Amino acid sequence: EAGVAQSPRYKIIEKRQSVAFWCNPISGHATLYWYQQILGQGPKLLIQFQNNGVVDDSQLPKDRFSAERLKGVDSTLKIQPAKLEDSAVYLCASSLDLFFFSGNTIYFGEGSWLTVV
Amino acid sequence: QKEVEQNSGPLSVPEGAIASLNCTYSDRGSQSFFWYRQYSGKSPELIMFIYSNGDKEDGRFTAQLNKASQYVSLLIRDSQPSDSATYLCAVMDSSYKLIFGSGTRLLVRP
Repeated sequence: EAGVAQSPRYKIIEKRQSVAFWCNPISGHATLYWYQQILGQGPKLLIQFQNNGVVDDSQLPKDRFSAERLKGVDSTLKIQPAKLEDSAVYLCASSLDLFFFSGNTIYFGEGSWLTVV
Repeated sequence: QKEVEQNSGPLSVPEGAIASLNCTYSDRGSQSFFWYRQYSGKSPELIMFIYSNGDKEDGRFTAQLNKASQYVSLLIRDSQPSDSATYLCAVMDSSYKLIFGSGTRLLVRP
């Protein structure tokens, strides 16, 4: 079974530039997540999709971050304009469904490393 | 603000010893609890999950849950240098969101 795919793996941009990250979840997984992990911290949920609808985006800085999952499969996370504090790993993850019962859990991609200079 | 707290460490143990990792959470309505291992430069991978009070064992790993005390722990028996990593506690809170702690760094000395 193929895992969660993310690209690009690494990106260096200047502040105020824009960047986009792409994610393809595990086949059949309805729920897709974008987490931000700053060095030395745990992953922080940015946005959660159930199929192509947003379940939670309360911690997404909407003035600069946007995300979409148009056909309920792939997703794109965009940052525009980037700030220095956006330097982090952006982890995409997926799960069969919303609820973490009966062994349903979340599977992470390898992450997209962003450095803003 | 719902929180998951972990000691950042590092926790240093000799090879063969038992490593004990602890986690507390603030949302009393939390229902499911997970431990993830994260090697440097890699993404988190699931080690164990636990839903009910008590202990759950899987090989060298034992997860312990005490909902009354809002406390979850992970014991690693016969620790190996390959266990050296950051261990993330994650909690599904009462709104079904998975919230992560900041992780505990474990170092197993040969």
